[in-house]
Amino acid sequence: AQSVTQLGSHVSVSEGALVLLRCNYSSSVPPYLFWYVQYPNQGLQLLLKYTSAATLVKGINGFEAEFKKSETSFHLTKPSAHMSDAAEYFCAAGGGSNYKLTFGKGTLLTVNP
Amino acid sequence: NAGVTQTPKFRVLKTGQSMTLLCAQDMNHEYMYWYRQDPGMGLRLIHYSVGEGTTAKGEVPDGYNVSRLKKQNFLLGLESAAPSQTSVYFCASRGASPDQYFGPGTRLLVL
Repeated sequence: AQSVTQLGSHVSVSEGALVLLRCNYSSSVPPYLFWYVQYPNQGLQLLLKYTSAATLVKGINGFEAEFKKSETSFHLTKPSAHMSDAAEYFCAAGGGSNYKLTFGKGTLLTVNP
Repeated sequence: NAGVTQTPKFRVLKTGQSMTLLCAQDMNHEYMYWYRQDPGMGLRLIHYSVGEGTTAKGEVPDGYNVSRLKKQNFLLGLESAAPSQTSVYFCASRGASPDQYFGPGTRLLVL
């Protein structure tokens, strides 16, 4: 069974600093990988996805993620944090004929002025 | 397009009461899902459907039932609510692409 691990349930950065949110997956076959963002009292919104094309994936709001098969990782980055990036971020994995996604437990990002 | 909508947005139940949560999507998606979100637990799949008239159990199905009589609707039922079912419930749908589209959620409090 697939599992998704997000390292750090809470990450705090200063405005303008680099954002790095970590995600590792366990799977013998590289799955589809996703990052979702959830703003307070809202549903989940897709930030970006990896579907076996380019290993560096660019998403909305200046975020990007790099798929590293050797490390089974799909870390999310943004060069310069903005106050509006404060939210909870979820990494998810699914694959092939598996219709289901497995979610990590989430990382709450706080951006300090 | 409204995307994925959920009804109601918030509900308070007493232990033992029943209720149905409605999810509707207007994207002609085949697959639909019900999740619950609890603090520190991420999203856990309750039930899902791969097409009209089909349903399947997810990770945490106990205490819930579902129906998919119409392609655009996916209903989640609680026959006898328990305090452990206090949660935020999200519905999602997907089509041919693997990414799922989420509704705004239903907050349920069971007293």
